[in-house]
Amino acid sequence: EAGVVQSPRYKIIEKKQPVAFWCNPISGHNTLYWYRQNLGQGPELLIRYENEEAVDDSQLPKDRFSAERLKGVDSTLKIQPAELGDSAVYLCASSRPSAYTGELFFGEGSRLTVL
Amino acid sequence: AQSVTQLGSHVSVSEGALVLLRCNYSSSVPPYLFWYVQYPNQGLQLLLKYTSAATLVKGINGFEAEFKKSETSFHLTKPSAHMSDAAEYFCAVSGNQFYFGTGTSLTVIP
Repeated sequence: EAGVVQSPRYKIIEKKQPVAFWCNPISGHNTLYWYRQNLGQGPELLIRYENEEAVDDSQLPKDRFSAERLKGVDSTLKIQPAELGDSAVYLCASSRPSAYTGELFFGEGSRLTVL
Repeated sequence: AQSVTQLGSHVSVSEGALVLLRCNYSSSVPPYLFWYVQYPNQGLQLLLKYTSAATLVKGINGFEAEFKKSETSFHLTKPSAHMSDAAEYFCAVSGNQFYFGTGTSLTVIP
């Protein structure tokens, strides 16, 4: 089966510019996650979706970050405007429902550099 | 509250030597524990998981981990390191969400 697909793999922008990342989860995986991974750190959850519903977005900086998962499949994460501190790898993951006993499947990530 | 602590941000071993990566967890409920591996410029891939069955868990690529409740540990081991094992390793605990450790970078010296 196809894995989690993310695009773009790399993005370089200047501060205050907008940026968007796209994720296509594994077919049949109802749960979708966006993580941010800073250099030398582990992934940190930004938002979790169960189908179309964002069930955990407590760590999402809502003043500049937004996410959507229309139709409960693909998802987009947007940053507007980007700040220097947003430079990181943005990882998308998907899983079957009630997956905290199971496995997260990760995409290859989108590496953002903000100049 | 749940968390994991990985001891040692960098570990170097010689090819063929034992690999030991340390992870201690904190959990108020019986934990589900995981080890993930991340190769350069790639996403995370599951190595193995503990979900309250056998305390010794075997994973892919010859890795295994032992759940020790008395020590709140879930250390990752491999008897003989291979060059291809060089990567970043993350321990994680799950409850209402996944909590990842800060990672251990493994270097294998030829």
